[in-house]
Amino acid sequence: EPEVTQTPSHQVTQMGQEVILRCVPISNHLYFYWYRQILGQKVEFLVSFYNNEISEKSEIFDDQFSVERPDGSNFTLKIRSTKLEDSAMYFCASSYRGNEQFFGPGTRLTVL
Amino acid sequence: EDQVTQSPEALRLQEGESSSLNCSYTVSGLRGLFWYRQDPGKGPEFLFTLYSAGEEKEKERLKATLTKKESFLHITAPKPEDSATYLCAVQPDYGNNRLAFGKGNQVVVIP
Repeated sequence: EPEVTQTPSHQVTQMGQEVILRCVPISNHLYFYWYRQILGQKVEFLVSFYNNEISEKSEIFDDQFSVERPDGSNFTLKIRSTKLEDSAMYFCASSYRGNEQFFGPGTRLTVL
Repeated sequence: EDQVTQSPEALRLQEGESSSLNCSYTVSGLRGLFWYRQDPGKGPEFLFTLYSAGEEKEKERLKATLTKKESFLHITAPKPEDSATYLCAVQPDYGNNRLAFGKGNQVVVIP
């Protein structure tokens, strides 16, 4: 069964460093998303991406964040200058029609 | 602002003891309501989508129902492998498909 994959599973970085989180969505899906979950809190929407552009972003998704679909299979989230409060699980999700969203296993980001 | 409240936050069940989880929501227009299962350290796993009041969906020991203000996830005769956090999310009919999640119902099924 097709699934969303994410790499790395765990990323440790120093405050102020740039990180890139990578995702491979399900191959025939058209809509792509990033969410995050701070430990013990709810899953929060960051950004949605369709037709090679951002279709919606939350207030969390400020100028430090960017997304890219560099080729036909990868979808990345970049954080330019990480802060301690960016420590969280980051989930990529994809959807064929924009309704059911299928999530990847997540990348645990730890900012020291 | 879209709000999703799930209760109870945590639930311990004996194996075979059926129960229901509640998801109350406030959204100006609902495109869909989704239930996910999340195991510790893992991503949410899609279970059901409900689109309109009165709709019901079933999968093994789980049944989801929807009214205009809330959704229930019924667990019938649970087994230890049903232990997980169950997440409810709403998708408003405005915006671009974002999901707004509740904090989840943490279920532990004791053998």
